Amino acid sequence: QSVLTQPPSMSAAPGQNVTISCSGSSSNIENNFVSWYQQVPGSAPKLLIYDNNNRPSGIPDRFSVSKSGTSVTLAITGLRTGDEADYYCGTWDDSLGTWVFGEGTKLTVL
Amino acid sequence: QMQLQESGPGLVRPLETVSLTCTVSGDSISSYYWSWIRQPPGKGLEWIGFIYYTGSANYNPSLKSRVSISIDTSKNQFSLKLRSVTAADTAVYYCARVLVYFGQNWFAPWGQGTLVTVSS
Repeated sequence: QSVLTQPPSMSAAPGQNVTISCSGSSSNIENNFVSWYQQVPGSAPKLLIYDNNNRPSGIPDRFSVSKSGTSVTLAITGLRTGDEADYYCGTWDDSLGTWVFGEGTKLTVL
Repeated sequence: QMQLQESGPGLVRPLETVSLTCTVSGDSISSYYWSWIRQPPGKGLEWIGFIYYTGSANYNPSLKSRVSISIDTSKNQFSLKLRSVTAADTAVYYCARVLVYFGQNWFAPWGQGTLVTVSS
């Protein structure tokens, strides 16, 4: 069981907005930057958001992150069928001395 | 554009050592950190460790006793050795570049991954 908690699954219709939460603690999320990764079925993970709320080139501004204390939330607006994927949050844990990932959230776009 | 490609045996016997190599193209392996991450079938991601181009490495404490990561700058490659494997080590193994900024880090890009199955 991961130290970062994500909902196992979420679903929404195309065009709708969705938020995916990632909850941790003071030893990880609160004091370190969080990054998010998108994994389309059958593919490798891809960096989606880094340094809390920065997007790599090519990632649309439909994806954004907010942070409050020991939790971060990934927001996706105007859902598209191509957004159907597993989403993972990740950060360094100062107490464990290791990088940690959330368990992942499977997003279904109905 | 930087690309990473994992290579290694797809099948390993229990208690043996699995060796994987990540070949980096499109940029020099020097000046960056590099990482191995794995994903058991149908499960989430697990960080294995980092290595700097100087050879300095940092490992996940849960795997530290069985893992070593090395780097060969002349070949633009870095490698993973995992000893005494069991079925629990069956996973897709990914290599990735680590980007570092003021002590914070993230992974990009990733290789396509290679499946390692531990079975007799």
